[in-house]
Amino acid sequence: EDQVTQSPEALRLQEGESSSLNCSYTVSGLRGLFWYRQDPGKGPEFLFTLYSAGEEKEKERLKATLTKKESFLHITAPKPEDSATYLCAVIGAGSYQLTFGKGTKLSVIP
Amino acid sequence: ETGVTQSPTHLIKTRGQQVTLRCSSQSGHNTVSWYQQALGQGPQFIFQYYREEENGRGNFPPRFSGLQFPNYSSELNVNALELDDSALYLCASSLDTEGGYTFGSGTRLTVV
Repeated sequence: EDQVTQSPEALRLQEGESSSLNCSYTVSGLRGLFWYRQDPGKGPEFLFTLYSAGEEKEKERLKATLTKKESFLHITAPKPEDSATYLCAVIGAGSYQLTFGKGTKLSVIP
Repeated sequence: ETGVTQSPTHLIKTRGQQVTLRCSSQSGHNTVSWYQQALGQGPQFIFQYYREEENGRGNFPPRFSGLQFPNYSSELNVNALELDDSALYLCASSLDTEGGYTFGSGTRLTVV
């Protein structure tokens, strides 16, 4: 059974204070690891897909990296508008479903 | 290019009733998945439809059922509602079954 664990559950940063969110996963044959951003009462918004260990992707202040056991979402010099819940999900071999973690709630204080 | 749209946005039902939620897929997408998200939790997979056929199901009882139509829009039906069915229901569409999922804004269902 695929499993995803995200840490920390909540993170409070000052504006400009860089940090990282962690996503640890257990999956039989990773087909893809996904990062989503979710604002309160809204659906998840796609950020990145990573497919193999060593892969990195960047978008504005966000950078996602992948190893064989975990992924990190690095946030550089965050702004208040980056406040949201960040969800990590995986799809394993022979599966059709995204298995999500519980998310990390990020708050960026001006 | 339109995104995924869901209706209604909010719904209140009484325990034991039945509910139908609707989803219009993103243009060009032939696969739709439904997820349930309880407060403070990540989304949980309910089922997936590909070209009008169910091709995957999560750990949800048979009272959760669905349909996908020829235009790739979809419905989620829940019978005999229970209080624990209160959640945000998310629809996600993709081209084929292998990812690149686009989510709608969800339907907030409250069962009282």
